[in-house]
Amino acid sequence: DIQMTQSPSSLSASVGDRVTITCRASQDINNYLTWFQQTPGKAPKILIHDASGLQGGVPSRFSGSGSGTDFTLTISSLQVEDFATYYCQQHKSYPLTFGGGTKVEIK
Amino acid sequence: EVQLVESGGGLVQPGGSLRLSCAASGFSFSAHYMDWVRQAPGEGLEWVGRTRNQANSYTTEYATSVKGRFIISRDDSKNSIYLQMNSLKTEDTAVYYCVRVGLSYDLGFWGQGTLVTVSS
Repeated sequence: DIQMTQSPSSLSASVGDRVTITCRASQDINNYLTWFQQTPGKAPKILIHDASGLQGGVPSRFSGSGSGTDFTLTISSLQVEDFATYYCQQHKSYPLTFGGGTKVEIK
Repeated sequence: EVQLVESGGGLVQPGGSLRLSCAASGFSFSAHYMDWVRQAPGEGLEWVGRTRNQANSYTTEYATSVKGRFIISRDDSKNSIYLQMNSLKTEDTAVYYCVRVGLSYDLGFWGQGTLVTVSS
């Protein structure tokens, strides 16, 4: 199975901050990586597909980059509604696997 | 409007069975692969399995943790997928989400989930 490792597992930030979350795959997954946002009590919502493709309706302050084994999700200017948990997920091979999540909290 | 509505969750004893349903609307259901993903209380996300579309012979894939115990099926005439869960264990306690797989094979749209609690 492909292991997905996210860092950090949590972070504290202020509104307006630039936030970067990293995700590392245990083997090459090309660009078959998705980023999700989940707020408490809600279903996950897709933000980024294929490592860098912004999903329709998602604000442009979210961006994704990377290929192979190392990936990054960046929020250019953190907003109140962005305080949530973020997950990466690979779909290069079965079983599909998720990172452990990064909880973004208010400083 | 795309909608996925899960049902069938509840309390079941260890070793028991439960069948979840997911009713889809607002898109061409028969064209899409569909997945189940679960989330244990306070934990992260775990992929459970997939059913492909008719063009791919409705074949399925499963996570190792559920293989041999869970069965995913679909009925395109009812725009629905199902998750038959047998030999349930306490560690199967989770919210179970129905997910539409997108054209890029991403998990593009999620239902709101249904809670399954396995406890004596």
